[in-house]
Formats: sequence, structure tokens, C-alpha cells
Amino acid sequence: AQKVTQAQTEISVVEKEDVTLDCVYETRDTTYYLFWYKQPPSGELVFLIRRNSFDEQNEISGRYSWNFQKSTSSFNFTITASQVVDSAVYFCALSEAVHNFNKFYFGSGTKLNVKP
Amino acid sequence: DGGITQSPKYLFRKEGQNVTLSCEQNLNHDAMYWYRQDPGQGLRLIYYSQIVNDFQKGDIAEGYSVSREKKESFPLTVTSAQKNPTAFYLCASSSGQGDQPQHFGDGTRLSIL
Repeated sequence: AQKVTQAQTEISVVEKEDVTLDCVYETRDTTYYLFWYKQPPSGELVFLIRRNSFDEQNEISGRYSWNFQKSTSSFNFTITASQVVDSAVYFCALSEAVHNFNKFYFGSGTKLNVKP
Repeated sequence: DGGITQSPKYLFRKEGQNVTLSCEQNLNHDAMYWYRQDPGQGLRLIYYSQIVNDFQKGDIAEGYSVSREKKESFPLTVTSAQKNPTAFYLCASSSGQGDQPQHFGDGTRLSIL
């Protein structure tokens, strides 16, 4: 079973539209961490945000916001007023302890196309 | 600037040949990782190392080998036993603590000639 599911394979929006990228995770641990990464066409994964399992506060950073809901095991990412530069593949990841090692599980990614 | 350097950016392998992908970090991180990314898919863990002179197999280690002789370096060898090596390979490092993000290099794209 997938530990991290990103059901949206690809999303296309027009510039200035708001867009939400979904992420659903699965874990039995009470302590775990959730991350979002951005992968532009150049290939490098860029870290965007981290959340721990005890902090359900939503976070806003400029045009980006994240909604963490333990009740639904979701950690969704919203981009407000999207821009062409937001076009990339976005990955959600879960980190949990496995035999004294914090293993990362990545979703399959959501490709976001923002058209001018 | 601190970061992770992967080389080469593009690599071509002939049948039956072993090739080595380089990964160097100057972030003073203890843990290093190798992932494989196939088109339209997420990242799959090949090998990881939590400390110098120690490394562990990930989910898809068959056909790959690694070494960790220095803290800064974690090279990956794609052996001839790996029958489908064409992919994008990403190296990452972290402090090893669960709440710390992994930092990634720019990746190496490996193709078969």
C-alpha cells in the first residue's frame, strides 16, 4: 500500500488561479513528519515546508499555504494567485522511524502547469 | 555555498558496463541517500548511509553498490546486473534527525547506449 498518495497526476491552471495539491498519507506512528518539495524542470528537489505530527496549525508563506488535518490524514498545499514560475512537479513526503532510521516516503508527485 | 554536487549531469552506459555516479556534500551532514526517479513516478530509495563506513540497502538495491569512506562523499555504482538502469538519479543528505528535511543535488540522468 502507498504510504503517501498524491491522486492528482497533473493539473493545469491559468495564471492567477488558485490551485490545491492533495496529499494523503498512511502511518501507524504517533510521531512523524510531513514535507512538501518542488521539482522544477532543472531536476533538483527544493524543500518547501515541514510539519510534525503534533502541530496541526495551518501555515501560510506568501502565496503558499498548507492545511494539515490528522483526522483525514491529509496535508494539502494551496498556491494562491498562481504564476508561471510555479510550474513544476510537487512531491509530498512522509518521514517516520524505521529501525532507528528516519525513512522518507515520497508520493508520485503532481505536475502543475500554470499557463499565462 | 553549502550544498550537494552530483556529477556528471548526463551519463551513458554501454551494455555490460559499470558506471559510477558521484555525490559530494559540504553541509556536514551525517546521512546520505540515493534515489531513483522514473518518468511520472516518485522517488525510490536505493541505498542510504547514516554514518561513515556504514550503509544499508533501500527498497531497490539490486544491481547497485555504494561506498561511504568519507563523510562528504557517497558514490553510487550502477553495475551491469542492473538491467533497466535508464532513470534520473538523485542524491540527498540530511542531519539524520527525523524532523530535518533532506537536501538534494541536481541529479544525474543515466541512459543506455
